[in-house]
Amino acid sequence: GENVEQHPSTLSVQEGDSAVIKCTYSDSASNYFPWYKQELGKRPQLIIDIRSNVGEKKDQRIAVTLNKTAKHFSLHITETQPEDSAVYFCAPNQAGTALIFGKGTTLSVSS
Amino acid sequence: DAEITQSPRHKITETGRQVTLACHQTWNHNNMFWYRQDLGHGLRLIHYSYGVQDTNKGEVSDGYSVSRSNTEDLPLTLESAASSQTSVYFCASSESGGSNIQYFGAGTRLSVL
Repeated sequence: GENVEQHPSTLSVQEGDSAVIKCTYSDSASNYFPWYKQELGKRPQLIIDIRSNVGEKKDQRIAVTLNKTAKHFSLHITETQPEDSAVYFCAPNQAGTALIFGKGTTLSVSS
Repeated sequence: DAEITQSPRHKITETGRQVTLACHQTWNHNNMFWYRQDLGHGLRLIHYSYGVQDTNKGEVSDGYSVSRSNTEDLPLTLESAASSQTSVYFCASSESGGSNIQYFGAGTRLSVL
């Protein structure tokens, strides 16, 4: 099965700084790479995803980059804001299959 | 609007009792999933289904069961509740083929005393 690791487990930044979270995986058959955000007391929600035929995808202040050879992908958040404070989960998998999530990264943005 | 709902939102039960958590979605999604969330463990997959009459075990399926008799519902049953099953439970659904996006319910907080 897929072995998923996220680093760091916690991340504290000042408002306006950038944040990077890395996700490594073991299954070379994985071809879909999403990131979910979970605010305190809320449900997880997809914020960005990428497929294996694309190396990078950007959506306003967030981006995801993929290195399939090294089996890792990263979430980049620029110009962080207090509302970015949340737990972020990666879930690399084969498209159409059940997601196996990483253990999460708690991001704290202080103003 | 289409949605996914979980009930109850909070439940307190005693060890040894059978408990069923409901999950209902109105998107007509074929895929449905159950996760538990505990501090330090993230979201762990319990059971999942790719369609009516289909069920599969996830990472932490011991002590849990599911059945899928229609597209809309995937109830999760704890056969004999244990204190180790105290957790927050999330149900999710997604389309088959195409988008892999999972939509989560609001969660059920279960305490087993």
